[in-house]
Amino acid sequence: KAGVTQTPRYLIKTRGQQVTLSCSPISGHRSVSWYQQTPGQGLQFLFEYFSETQRNKGNFPGRFSGRQFSNSRSEMNVSTLELGDSALYLCASSLNRVNEQFFGPGTRLTVL
Amino acid sequence: DQQVKQNSPSLSVQEGRISILNCDYTNSMFDYFLWYKKYPAEGPTFLISISSIKDKNEDGRFTVFLNKSAKHLSLHIVPSQPGDSAVYFCAASVDSGYALNFGKGTSLLVTP
Repeated sequence: KAGVTQTPRYLIKTRGQQVTLSCSPISGHRSVSWYQQTPGQGLQFLFEYFSETQRNKGNFPGRFSGRQFSNSRSEMNVSTLELGDSALYLCASSLNRVNEQFFGPGTRLTVL
Repeated sequence: DQQVKQNSPSLSVQEGRISILNCDYTNSMFDYFLWYKKYPAEGPTFLISISSIKDKNEDGRFTVFLNKSAKHLSLHIVPSQPGDSAVYFCAASVDSGYALNFGKGTSLLVTP
């Protein structure tokens, strides 16, 4: 069974730009969660989608948004990038709840 | 506000000895706890979990202990092997729900 895939793996952007990251969950998984990992804050929950609906949202500004498509693939978007948005963005999928979450390898975003 | 805390950023243990990784939490609503292991350039991999109705869960060389009154859990690895060298994250959720609250991680180094 293929794992969670994330594209691209690495991305370099400049301040003020926007970026879209993509996540393909494990086949059959309908829940997709996004996390941000930084050295200072560790892993922080961004949001979770299930059947195209956002069910839960972390404490991040509105510049961070996401969506899920009917095939469960998900994208997250960050607008007006700031230097502090440089991080590893991880996607995780599960059948439903967190105790079944499987993580992708992440997208490393660098904002210059 | 960090609700899950791993106060030791790093730990070094000799091969064959016991590794003990600690985690404290502040939110008394947490009722499901997990440990993840992460290698560089990979996403976190689920290791072991425990529900708040238990105080111990064992899986091979890995045992997680939960002390609800102290809001503390620990992961024991016995015996430690060089391949266990990785960053270990403690995570917690409410009602095994949709969002994981992670600690900042402890980097374990097992030396031959």
